[in-house]
Amino acid sequence: GNSVTQMEGPVTLSEEAFLTINCTYTATGYPSLFWYVQYPGEGLQLLLKATKADDKGSNKGFEATYRKETTSFHLEKGSVQVSDSAVYFCALGDSNYQLIWGAGTKLIIKP
Amino acid sequence: DAGVIQSPRHEVTEMGQEVTLRCKPISGHNSLFWYRQTMMRGLELLIYFNNNVPIDDSGMPEDRFSAKMPNASFSTLKIQPSEPRDSAVYFCASSRKAGALSGANVLTFGAGSRLTVL
Repeated sequence: GNSVTQMEGPVTLSEEAFLTINCTYTATGYPSLFWYVQYPGEGLQLLLKATKADDKGSNKGFEATYRKETTSFHLEKGSVQVSDSAVYFCALGDSNYQLIWGAGTKLIIKP
Repeated sequence: DAGVIQSPRHEVTEMGQEVTLRCKPISGHNSLFWYRQTMMRGLELLIYFNNNVPIDDSGMPEDRFSAKMPNASFSTLKIQPSEPRDSAVYFCASSRKAGALSGANVLTFGAGSRLTVL
């Protein structure tokens, strides 16, 4: 079946460091891919998405490219801020409504 | 838009009591989801409604759990009787059901209801 694997956290970085959070997937067909972010005490919110191979999703300085050849959708940001501290979830669109979620990666940014 | 509204934000109850969680989805969204989040199991889809009709309730853990959506602007998740293992954060989310390229899978989550069963 379809699945999503994320790198385990927590990931701890200093402010202005480069961020990569790895996400790989297993799927049949051509699913949409998503990154959601959950700030402390809040619900998840969509960060970015990509709907087909080679698409790049971007938002708030974060980027992720849909790589079909490596079945990956890694999240990157060039210079992180303390306010980026949150839990990041990679997800795969399994059908018109079902989302397959990664386990989440906690990101801690130190000033 | 006020977003997805959930209540209560926090609930502490004793084992055996009935718990009712409430959700108001975004106006115009016709898909509604209830999720449960725990450290051990992550995010679990409990039930999915489309146009107020339950489409997939395969994630509902057992008969103690029930969910209703009497109209497009309101849904409830009820646990009766509650048990300590039900302690979790319960999220409601809504989306505009559309074609795969335009809106499907893009969920807007509420802030969650943190349930503690003693």
